[in-house]
Amino acid sequence: QSALTQPTSVSGSPGQSITISCTGTSSDVGGYNYVSWYQQHPGKAPKLIIYEVSYRPSGVSNRFFGSKSGNTASLTISGLQGEDEADYYCSSYTSTSTLEVFGGGTRLTVL
Amino acid sequence: QLQLQESGPGLVKPSETLSLTCSVSGGSISGSSYYWAWIRQPPGKGLEYIGSIFYTGSTYYYNPSLKSRISTSLDTSKNQFSLRLSSVTAADTAVYYCARLNGGSGWHFDYWGQGTLVTVSS
Repeated sequence: QSALTQPTSVSGSPGQSITISCTGTSSDVGGYNYVSWYQQHPGKAPKLIIYEVSYRPSGVSNRFFGSKSGNTASLTISGLQGEDEADYYCSSYTSTSTLEVFGGGTRLTVL
Repeated sequence: QLQLQESGPGLVKPSETLSLTCSVSGGSISGSSYYWAWIRQPPGKGLEYIGSIFYTGSTYYYNPSLKSRISTSLDTSKNQFSLRLSSVTAADTAVYYCARLNGGSGWHFDYWGQGTLVTVSS
């Protein structure tokens, strides 16, 4: 069982927007602005797309937007494209003994 | 551009010890803002954080569910870090990734290896 809760799957049509949630506790998501998001295509390593809740690394499309409210972080992808079809994972710094914790992952299907 | 590459046996027998090494190129593992991490992904499942070690080798954090079986180490002279997981079972079959955990700007895994599949089977 993952420490952060994500929906198992989401879907959307090309051009639409979708949002993936990531719910934790005050010991992780709610307590720090250290939420990151990763995109993983089949057979590939995860790729960082958002860090510190809402910052995008160089080269990541501005169609990816991160936010946080309370114990829940969100990743919004606007203008869906076929290449966005992938698994998405959130992660957060945690004050527990592990330092970092992942969400269970969300599969995005572009219809 | 930092690059990470996992290496180690692809097949390990049950009850034996899994040993993996991550070789880092394009930068030093001795940076003070970084931890060096291991993450795994069982076939068809999500990412599982295994643990991280600081560049000094003296500070580390492990997943409590694996803590009793894990050890990690660093070799700054070779720019490598390693994972040992003892008493493996079929449940330890997974793709194992090494990654850099950047604590200098927001705690995130900014560089990843390509991953290596380790199968536990007799």
